[in-house]
Amino acid sequence: GQQLNQSPQSMFIQEGEDVSMNCTSSSIFNTWLWYKQDPGEGPVLLIALYKAGELTSNGRLTAQFGITRKDSFLNISASIPSDVGIYFCAGLPGEYGNKLVFGAGTILRVKS
Amino acid sequence: EPEVTQTPSHQVTQMGQEVILRCVPISNHLYFYWYRQILGQKVEFLVSFYNNEISEKSEIFDDQFSVERPDGSNFTLKIRSTKLEDSAMYFCASSRDTSPRTFGSGTRLTVV
Repeated sequence: GQQLNQSPQSMFIQEGEDVSMNCTSSSIFNTWLWYKQDPGEGPVLLIALYKAGELTSNGRLTAQFGITRKDSFLNISASIPSDVGIYFCAGLPGEYGNKLVFGAGTILRVKS
Repeated sequence: EPEVTQTPSHQVTQMGQEVILRCVPISNHLYFYWYRQILGQKVEFLVSFYNNEISEKSEIFDDQFSVERPDGSNFTLKIRSTKLEDSAMYFCASSRDTSPRTFGSGTRLTVV
């Protein structure tokens, strides 16, 4: 089935630093989504990307839909303590309908 | 902000028992989903539901699982005879279109 490879697995950074994480696949995706999950909660949508090459921002977050449609990255600028959590990429492989596929997640820890 | 509501937040059940997990999707959404997250792992798609029928399901969603929209507001997941490996967080999600957007806070199912 469809697989998303998300990296890094975890990050421990200093408050104020920028963060970058990405997802890649050997298959094409028609939609890329980035979610954040806090402990004991459901994933919360951060950014949705619908077109190859699209670059979208949401406050300090920026995400891009790769030109090849096989990858996406998420950047967080000037990290703050409340950025702590697990970040998941998720993709919709269009030819397989609406079965959203998730990456394994990136655990972000911030030192203040 | 409209929410997807899930009840109960935590369910403990004995192996072999039936459980029903309940969800109230966002009122103007047309697509409904169940996902599962085993502790420390990624979110996995179980099933999607549209127009009062299952539109897609994963290989996890076997004959022990069923979904129902018994009235205009609730969406339920039933596990007929629970196994130890069914222990997980179960998330309901809903969307207006085919790009899943809003997740509930989840039901933690513990099978003992």
